Amino acid sequence: EAGVAQSPRYKIIEKRQSVAFWCNPISGHATLYWYQQILGQGPKLLIQFQNNGVVDDSQLPKDRFSAERLKGVDSTLKIQPAKLEDSAVYLCASSLEWDRETQYFGPGTRLLVL
Amino acid sequence: QQQVKQSPQSLIVQKGGISIINCAYENTAFDYFPWYQQFPGKGPALLIAIRPDVSEKKEGRFTISFNKSAKQFSLHIMDSQPGDSATYFCAARMGGSEKLVFGKGMKLTVNP
Repeated sequence: EAGVAQSPRYKIIEKRQSVAFWCNPISGHATLYWYQQILGQGPKLLIQFQNNGVVDDSQLPKDRFSAERLKGVDSTLKIQPAKLEDSAVYLCASSLEWDRETQYFGPGTRLLVL
Repeated sequence: QQQVKQSPQSLIVQKGGISIINCAYENTAFDYFPWYQQFPGKGPALLIAIRPDVSEKKEGRFTISFNKSAKQFSLHIMDSQPGDSATYFCAARMGGSEKLVFGKGMKLTVNP
């Protein structure tokens, strides 16, 4: 079974630029999560989707971050404009609707904002 | 209230030794406590998990001990191997949701 796919793996941008990350969850997984992992810290949930609906986006900085999952499969996370403190690894995870306790993480996208 | 505090930040053990990682929480609304293992360049992977109605859970060389009254839980890795060298995160899930709150992680190095 293929795992969670993410691209790009690395991205370097300058502050105030915009950037987008893509995630393709495991086939059949209805729940999709985006996490931000700052160096030396644990992942922090940014947004959770159930199919194409948002379940929890309470920790998403909505003035600059946006995410969508239009067809209930793959998802895009965007940052516009980026700040220095957005430098982090952005992890996507997915889980089955009937087993949401087991989240499967992708390899992440490492973002460096200069 | 939503924090999960993890200690130590790093640990070095010899092959065959026991690795112990501790976590503490405050929010009694947490109802599920997983441990994740993360290798460099990879996403975290679920290792083992426990619910607060159980005091201990063992899977192979990995054991979780849970102390509900103290609001603490720990991961024990028996017979530690060099392949166990990774960063370990404890987490806690808010009841009624899938939201996980992670600790800051502990880097384990197992020397051959």
